[in-house]
Amino acid sequence: ETGVTQTPRHLVMGMTNKKSLKCEQHLGHNAMYWYKQSAKKPLELMFVYNFKEQTENNSVPSRFSPECPNSSHLFLHLHTLQPEDSALYLCASSQELYGYTFGSGTRLTVV
Amino acid sequence: SQQGEEDPQALSIQEGENATMNCSYKTSINNLQWYRQNSGRGLVHLILIRSNEREKHSGRLRVTLDTSKKSSSLLITASRAADTASYFCATASQAGTALIFGKGTTLSVSS
Repeated sequence: ETGVTQTPRHLVMGMTNKKSLKCEQHLGHNAMYWYKQSAKKPLELMFVYNFKEQTENNSVPSRFSPECPNSSHLFLHLHTLQPEDSALYLCASSQELYGYTFGSGTRLTVV
Repeated sequence: SQQGEEDPQALSIQEGENATMNCSYKTSINNLQWYRQNSGRGLVHLILIRSNEREKHSGRLRVTLDTSKKSSSLLITASRAADTASYFCATASQAGTALIFGKGTTLSVSS
């Protein structure tokens, strides 16, 4: 365990489904992030939250909707996804930008 | 947008050999970080080098930074099969709110 817990580890969903990814950290970090990792591509930054306020949305389609109810929890709500959204979704937390702690990721498959 | 670019993309060596990976970046930085990712898992922070440092060591890891060339290298000495993983460099985004990762170098160490 890294201190950042992501659930579920694997998710298969149809294009019309609605699902949510959850990320939890109890490291006392002030920032949390969502990244997408597709095969043969660099990690893509999706969203940044600092003290539970969204500070960056990296032009992510609206079918991805983040939620950060407090500094320890981060959600990514998914709806009407496309097959190209299949990827490993990684959550990370940090104190400022020094040394991210990543979760193990959610492997998402859209069918 | 991508900030760091690792080279080579893939590296295969024998146990006991040294492995060197390089990272080039585009804009000025406060620090540069290296991360490791085992297949399908989250990334793990390895080492951070500040812009006023030229070299840093951590166990079998040695990182150098040349800000005049906007480049860094990661050296793993006396490699082991367990070092097999992908290695990424990361620097702060232009907005300074998150880390941007390169495509990574995939290291394979055979016994």
